Amino acid sequence: LAKTTQPISMDSYEGQEVNITCSHNNIATNDYITWYQQFPSQGPRFIIQGYKTKVTNEVASLFIPADRKSSTLSLPRVSLSDTAVYYCLVGADSNYQLIWGAGTKLIIKP
Amino acid sequence: GAVVSQHPSWVICKSGTSVKIECRSLDFQATTMFWYRQFPKQSLMLMATSNEGSKATYEQGVEKDKFLINHASLTLSTLTVTSAHPEDSSFYICSARAQGDQPQHFGDGTRLSIL
Repeated sequence: LAKTTQPISMDSYEGQEVNITCSHNNIATNDYITWYQQFPSQGPRFIIQGYKTKVTNEVASLFIPADRKSSTLSLPRVSLSDTAVYYCLVGADSNYQLIWGAGTKLIIKP
Repeated sequence: GAVVSQHPSWVICKSGTSVKIECRSLDFQATTMFWYRQFPKQSLMLMATSNEGSKATYEQGVEKDKFLINHASLTLSTLTVTSAHPEDSSFYICSARAQGDQPQHFGDGTRLSIL
């Protein structure tokens, strides 16, 4: 079972690029890496998912090194509305025990 | 796309009442649905996983007779908190996944307060 470790909190400023790294040393061969954003009193919102190398969509990029023991979520040009908790999730279809880490509280300042 | 609706968004009821929460995938068929519980300032805690037409798989420490889960169709799962007590008060969130390699998509959660 993979277990994730993320920084508890991070601060940044509007317009900056923010990178949040997640460690998952025990990731299994068939595990995907998924990132979610959560605002208070709401369900998590899917941001991006990847298996290896780099994935990019309209809101973020996900970098995964060859050993897959970590991953980095990159948010370009953040705004105040990006202030939220970000979770890294590692899991696969056959593994129902999808383990959520503590998440990273990201605070964006003006 | 990938919209999950959860209802109700909040409920307040007396101790001893049973409460049902619905989770619907609106624009996709969900092979698997998940139920989570979240305490303030904490991460999500998986309670159970259910596949359509099968019995739910509960995580260790979750009472299956207390938290009844039904996944009767590919678009609907329900969580019933039976004989709820104040310690059951929490934020309950469901998610749905189309296939194994697809991400989960979440409802907006249900705030349950038991008086």
